[in-house]
Amino acid sequence: GESVGLHLPTLSVQEGDNSIINCAYSNSASDYFIWYKQESGKGPQFIIDIRSNMDKRQGQRVTVLLNKTVKHLSLQIAATQPGDSAVYFCAETSRGNDYKLSFGAGTTVTVRA
Amino acid sequence: DAGVTQSPTHLIKTRGQQVTLRCSPKSGHDTVSWYQQALGQGPQFIFQYYEEEERQRGNFPDRFSGHQFPNYSSELNVNALLLGDSALYLCASTPMGLEGYTFGSGTRLTVV
Repeated sequence: GESVGLHLPTLSVQEGDNSIINCAYSNSASDYFIWYKQESGKGPQFIIDIRSNMDKRQGQRVTVLLNKTVKHLSLQIAATQPGDSAVYFCAETSRGNDYKLSFGAGTTVTVRA
Repeated sequence: DAGVTQSPTHLIKTRGQQVTLRCSPKSGHDTVSWYQQALGQGPQFIFQYYEEEERQRGNFPDRFSGHQFPNYSSELNVNALLLGDSALYLCASTPMGLEGYTFGSGTRLTVV
Protein backbone atom coordinates (compact mmCIF):
# COMPACT_ATOMS: atom_id res chain seq x y z
CA GLY A 1 0.00 0.00 0.00
CA GLU A 2 0.96 3.64 -0.04
CA SER A 3 3.30 4.82 2.66
CA VAL A 4 5.61 7.66 3.41
CA GLY A 5 8.39 6.93 5.81
CA LEU A 6 11.54 8.40 7.23
CA HIS A 7 14.71 6.40 7.54
CA LEU A 8 15.66 7.40 11.07
CA PRO A 9 13.41 8.43 13.94
CA THR A 10 16.08 10.58 15.60
CA LEU A 11 19.03 12.67 14.50
CA SER A 12 21.55 14.41 16.76
CA VAL A 13 23.68 17.08 15.13
CA GLN A 14 26.33 19.51 16.33
CA GLU A 15 25.44 23.17 16.09
CA GLY A 16 26.90 24.61 12.90
CA ASP A 17 27.03 21.28 11.08
CA ASN A 18 24.79 20.37 8.18
CA SER A 19 21.80 18.07 8.76
CA ILE A 20 20.34 15.58 6.33
CA ILE A 21 16.91 14.09 6.93
CA ASN A 22 15.71 11.32 4.65
CA CYS A 23 12.30 10.14 3.55
CA ALA A 24 11.17 7.23 1.39
CA TYR A 25 7.82 6.94 -0.32
CA SER A 26 6.20 4.05 -2.11
CA ASN A 27 3.53 5.64 -4.31
CA SER A 28 4.97 6.08 -7.78
CA ALA A 29 2.10 8.45 -8.58
CA SER A 30 3.20 10.93 -5.89
CA ASP A 31 3.91 14.24 -7.57
CA TYR A 32 4.07 16.87 -4.83
CA PHE A 33 6.15 16.73 -1.68
CA ILE A 34 6.38 19.00 1.35
CA TRP A 35 8.70 19.14 4.34
CA TYR A 36 7.23 20.35 7.63
CA LYS A 37 8.82 21.28 10.94
CA GLN A 38 6.83 20.74 14.12
CA GLU A 39 7.90 22.17 17.45
CA SER A 40 6.46 20.99 20.72
CA GLY A 41 2.89 22.20 21.22
CA LYS A 42 2.60 23.66 17.73
CA GLY A 43 1.19 22.63 14.42
CA PRO A 44 3.37 21.65 11.44
CA GLN A 45 5.15 24.59 9.85
CA PHE A 46 5.87 24.63 6.12
CA ILE A 47 9.58 24.51 5.27
CA ILE A 48 9.88 23.80 1.56
CA ASP A 49 8.09 21.92 -1.19
CA ILE A 50 8.99 20.30 -4.49
CA ARG A 51 7.04 18.97 -7.46
CA SER A 52 7.93 15.79 -9.27
CA ASN A 53 9.14 17.64 -12.37
CA MET A 54 12.09 18.91 -10.31
CA ASP A 55 14.93 17.11 -8.54
CA LYS A 56 16.24 19.94 -6.39
CA ARG A 57 14.89 23.06 -4.80
CA GLN A 58 16.61 25.50 -2.47
CA GLY A 59 15.31 27.83 0.18
CA GLN A 60 16.92 29.78 2.95
CA ARG A 61 19.44 27.34 4.54
CA VAL A 62 17.37 24.39 3.29
CA THR A 63 17.55 22.22 0.20
CA VAL A 64 15.18 19.45 -0.83
CA LEU A 65 16.36 16.71 -3.14
CA LEU A 66 14.01 14.34 -4.93
CA ASN A 67 15.09 11.07 -6.50
CA LYS A 68 12.08 9.62 -8.27
CA THR A 69 13.98 6.57 -9.47
CA VAL A 70 14.37 5.23 -5.95
CA LYS A 71 11.42 7.16 -4.48
CA HIS A 72 13.58 9.06 -2.03
CA LEU A 73 13.34 12.57 -0.66
CA SER A 74 15.81 14.40 1.55
CA LEU A 75 15.96 17.68 3.43
CA GLN A 76 19.32 19.31 3.97
CA ILE A 77 19.68 22.02 6.58
CA ALA A 78 22.85 24.09 6.38
CA ALA A 79 24.63 25.39 9.47
CA THR A 80 22.13 23.83 11.88
CA GLN A 81 21.06 26.10 14.72
CA PRO A 82 19.48 25.36 18.13
CA GLY A 83 16.18 26.68 16.79
CA ASP A 84 16.18 23.87 14.24
CA SER A 85 15.52 21.34 17.01
CA ALA A 86 12.10 19.90 16.21
CA VAL A 87 10.31 16.99 14.59
CA TYR A 88 10.51 17.00 10.80
CA PHE A 89 7.90 15.37 8.57
CA CYS A 90 7.79 14.71 4.88
CA ALA A 91 4.36 14.67 3.27
CA GLU A 92 3.22 13.76 -0.20
CA THR A 93 0.20 13.85 -2.40
CA SER A 94 -0.56 12.60 -5.85
CA ARG A 95 -2.42 13.66 -8.94
CA GLY A 96 -6.08 12.97 -8.34
CA ASN A 97 -5.51 13.13 -4.59
CA ASP A 98 -4.49 16.75 -4.53
CA TYR A 99 -5.94 17.81 -1.26
CA LYS A 100 -4.98 14.91 0.99
CA LEU A 101 -1.49 14.90 2.42
CA SER A 102 0.09 11.64 3.55
CA PHE A 103 2.71 12.08 6.27
CA GLY A 104 5.58 9.96 7.44
CA ALA A 105 6.18 9.30 11.14
CA GLY A 106 8.76 12.03 11.57
CA THR A 107 12.41 12.50 12.52
CA THR A 108 13.29 14.22 15.78
CA VAL A 109 16.29 16.50 15.30
CA THR A 110 18.28 17.53 18.36
CA VAL A 111 20.96 20.18 17.98
CA ARG A 112 23.90 19.91 20.38
CA ALA A 113 25.54 23.14 21.50
CA ASP B 1 -2.91 38.64 9.47
CA ALA B 2 -4.10 35.76 11.64
CA GLY B 3 -3.19 32.30 10.52
CA VAL B 4 -5.33 29.25 11.17
CA THR B 5 -6.93 29.44 14.61
CA GLN B 6 -8.34 26.50 16.50
CA SER B 7 -10.38 26.23 19.67
CA PRO B 8 -10.22 25.04 22.31
CA THR B 9 -6.49 24.38 22.75
CA HIS B 10 -7.02 21.57 25.23
CA LEU B 11 -10.01 19.43 26.08
CA ILE B 12 -10.70 16.49 28.38
CA LYS B 13 -13.71 14.29 27.69
CA THR B 14 -15.10 11.06 29.09
CA ARG B 15 -15.40 7.93 27.00
CA GLY B 16 -18.77 7.84 25.21
CA GLN B 17 -19.19 11.62 25.15
CA GLN B 18 -19.31 13.82 22.08
CA VAL B 19 -16.93 16.66 21.22
CA THR B 20 -16.89 19.60 18.80
CA LEU B 21 -13.68 21.27 17.71
CA ARG B 22 -13.56 24.54 15.81
CA CYS B 23 -11.34 26.04 13.16
CA SER B 24 -11.09 29.42 11.48
CA PRO B 25 -9.02 29.32 8.29
CA LYS B 26 -6.39 31.79 7.29
CA SER B 27 -7.74 34.88 5.58
CA GLY B 28 -8.23 34.22 1.89
CA HIS B 29 -8.36 30.45 2.31
CA ASP B 30 -11.56 28.64 1.41
CA THR B 31 -10.63 24.99 1.94
CA VAL B 32 -10.30 23.36 5.34
CA SER B 33 -8.82 19.95 6.16
CA TRP B 34 -8.73 18.08 9.46
CA TYR B 35 -5.98 15.76 10.62
CA GLN B 36 -5.52 13.54 13.67
CA GLN B 37 -2.04 13.25 15.13
CA ALA B 38 -1.47 10.54 17.71
CA LEU B 39 1.49 10.92 20.03
CA GLY B 40 4.74 10.21 18.22
CA GLN B 41 3.06 9.82 14.84
CA GLY B 42 2.56 11.89 11.74
CA PRO B 43 -0.79 13.56 11.08
CA GLN B 44 -3.48 11.37 9.50
CA PHE B 45 -6.01 12.91 7.11
CA ILE B 46 -9.60 12.84 8.37
CA PHE B 47 -11.50 14.86 5.75
CA GLN B 48 -11.61 18.09 3.81
CA TYR B 49 -14.31 20.68 3.23
CA TYR B 50 -14.75 23.02 0.32
CA GLU B 51 -17.83 25.08 -0.52
CA GLU B 52 -19.51 23.68 2.59
CA GLU B 53 -19.26 20.11 1.36
CA GLU B 54 -17.01 17.21 2.29
CA ARG B 55 -14.74 16.78 -0.71
CA GLN B 56 -12.52 13.94 0.39
CA ARG B 57 -12.36 11.59 3.38
CA GLY B 58 -9.67 9.46 4.95
CA ASN B 59 -10.03 6.13 6.72
CA PHE B 60 -11.99 7.31 9.71
CA PRO B 61 -15.34 5.94 10.97
CA ASP B 62 -18.62 7.76 10.66
CA ARG B 63 -18.27 8.85 14.29
CA PHE B 64 -16.12 11.60 12.81
CA SER B 65 -18.15 14.24 11.02
CA GLY B 66 -17.69 17.83 10.06
CA HIS B 67 -19.20 20.97 8.76
CA GLN B 68 -18.10 24.07 6.94
CA PHE B 69 -19.90 27.37 7.28
CA PRO B 70 -20.40 30.10 4.65
CA ASN B 71 -17.53 32.11 6.20
CA TYR B 72 -15.27 29.05 5.53
CA SER B 73 -14.84 28.20 9.22
CA SER B 74 -15.26 24.56 10.12
CA GLU B 75 -16.17 22.19 12.91
CA LEU B 76 -15.06 18.64 13.60
CA ASN B 77 -17.46 16.49 15.59
CA VAL B 78 -16.60 13.17 17.16
CA ASN B 79 -19.35 11.02 18.69
CA ALA B 80 -19.11 8.12 21.13
CA LEU B 81 -15.55 8.97 22.09
CA LEU B 82 -13.08 6.15 22.59
CA LEU B 83 -9.84 6.22 24.53
CA GLY B 84 -8.05 5.83 21.20
CA ASP B 85 -9.45 9.15 20.00
CA SER B 86 -7.03 10.91 22.32
CA ALA B 87 -4.78 12.91 20.00
CA LEU B 88 -3.84 16.31 18.66
CA TYR B 89 -6.43 17.42 16.11
CA LEU B 90 -5.04 19.74 13.48
CA CYS B 91 -6.89 21.98 11.13
CA ALA B 92 -5.25 23.14 7.91
CA SER B 93 -6.46 25.64 5.38
CA THR B 94 -5.49 26.41 1.82
CA PRO B 95 -6.68 28.51 -1.04
CA MET B 96 -7.91 26.49 -3.99
CA GLY B 97 -5.00 24.16 -4.66
CA LEU B 98 -2.10 23.06 -2.48
CA GLU B 99 0.26 26.01 -2.26
CA GLY B 100 -0.09 27.76 1.05
CA TYR B 101 -1.27 24.72 2.99
CA THR B 102 -1.20 26.17 6.53
CA PHE B 103 -1.77 24.35 9.80
CA GLY B 104 -3.16 25.62 13.07
CA SER B 105 -1.63 24.76 16.44
CA GLY B 106 -4.23 22.10 17.09
CA THR B 107 -6.60 20.98 19.82
CA ARG B 108 -5.23 18.44 22.28
CA LEU B 109 -8.08 16.04 23.07
CA THR B 110 -7.76 13.64 25.98
CA VAL B 111 -10.39 10.95 26.45
CA VAL B 112 -10.53 9.40 29.92
